[in-house]
Formats: sequence, C-alpha cells, structure tokens
Amino acid sequence: AQSVAQPEDQVNVAEGNPLTVKCTYSVSGNPYLFWYVQYPNRGLQFLLNYITGDNLVKGSYGFEAEFNKSQTSFHLKKPSALVSDSALYFCAVRDRDTGGFKTIFGAGTRLFVKA
Amino acid sequence: NAGVTQTPKFRVLKTGQSMTLLCAQDMNHEYMYWYRQDPGMGLRLIHYSVGEGTTAKGEVPDGYNVSRLKKQNFLLGLESAAPSQTSVYFCASATQGDSTDTQYFGPGTRLTVL
Repeated sequence: AQSVAQPEDQVNVAEGNPLTVKCTYSVSGNPYLFWYVQYPNRGLQFLLNYITGDNLVKGSYGFEAEFNKSQTSFHLKKPSALVSDSALYFCAVRDRDTGGFKTIFGAGTRLFVKA
Repeated sequence: NAGVTQTPKFRVLKTGQSMTLLCAQDMNHEYMYWYRQDPGMGLRLIHYSVGEGTTAKGEVPDGYNVSRLKKQNFLLGLESAAPSQTSVYFCASATQGDSTDTQYFGPGTRLTVL
C-alpha cells in the first residue's frame, strides 16, 4: 500500500537560513512524488514534482526537492527562507505502476519563518 | 479561466440533514477528486472520477456519494450528515496524459455538522 510520512509537525527557521521539510514514502512500484503548499484559508497549490530523470527537482518560489530512491525520501529544501514561505506543506505520492489514479498525501508540516 | 471552483464556501448542518457540494472546473480535465482535510491527518481521498459518468471510491467513502454527469462538474453528497463529517472539503482536478500529473485544487468548503 502507498503511504507518505512527514515526520515533523512543525519546522521553525529564521529568515535567510536554509530550510528543509522532510518526507519519506512507501510504494510498491515507481513513484510520482509531489510537494504542495497551502496558505491559510486556501486550497493546495502545486510546488514541484518528481516524475523521472534528474533526482534534483526545482520548483516554484525557489524551492527544490531531492529524490533519493535508496532512502525513499523526497525532502523539500530552500537555500534562504522568507517570512512569506510560512505555510502548511504537503508531500504526496502516487504509485505509477499499481496505484491507479490515487494520490496519497502526508499529514502536512507547518513551516514558520521568523523575521 | 476560473480554474476549480467550489460551492458553497461554508455550511452548517444539523445531524441527519443532507446536502450537496458542487465542484466545477473549466480546464477540460478528465480526472476529478474529492478530499477531506482534518487537523493532523492531511488530505484523505473520499471519491474520485476518471471521466464523465464514472466514479470510484477512495480511502474514506462511507457516508458520501458522488456523481459526474458532466465532465466539468463533480458533486459530493451527504445523505445524512454526522458530526464526524465536520471537515474542510477540497475538490481537485487533473488532466489525462499530463506528464506533470499535477492536481489543481479548489478553495475548499468548510462544513460543520452540529
């Protein structure tokens, strides 16, 4: 069965410092991996995804994520955090081989960036 | 393009009442989804549709029904609301064959069942 784990409920970082939001996944086939961001009272917005190819994926707003197959991880990173990055971040996975059309979301990690 | 819209934005129901949530998309997407979001649990898939006239169960389908009579609309029904269905409901759509496999989300419906 597919699953996604985001081990941190909350990540705190100072503005200008690098940030990492962790995600690990479990699928039986090959994964599609996603990061979405949710601002207060809004729906989720796509940030980036990994389908195939380079393990380092670059996305919106300066975010990037690294796919690590051996560690089954897809951590979200940004070299220099902004206060406006404060939001709820969701990692998601779809098993492209056996998962059909279902995407499984993690529980979310709340990012606080302090000025 | 309006993208994905949801109606209503807020609703309060009493236990046992029924209601229908409407999701509409103007991107000609084949796939549509209904999720519920609860604190600490992320998004859980209720039902989904891979095309007009088709529906399928997700992770938490009990107590909900759906219909996709038109490609652009995906309706979520609660026949007899229960307090456990208090949640924020999100609709999403995605296009068939899009290599990015990205879902586009509506703004959500906040439902409270008393």
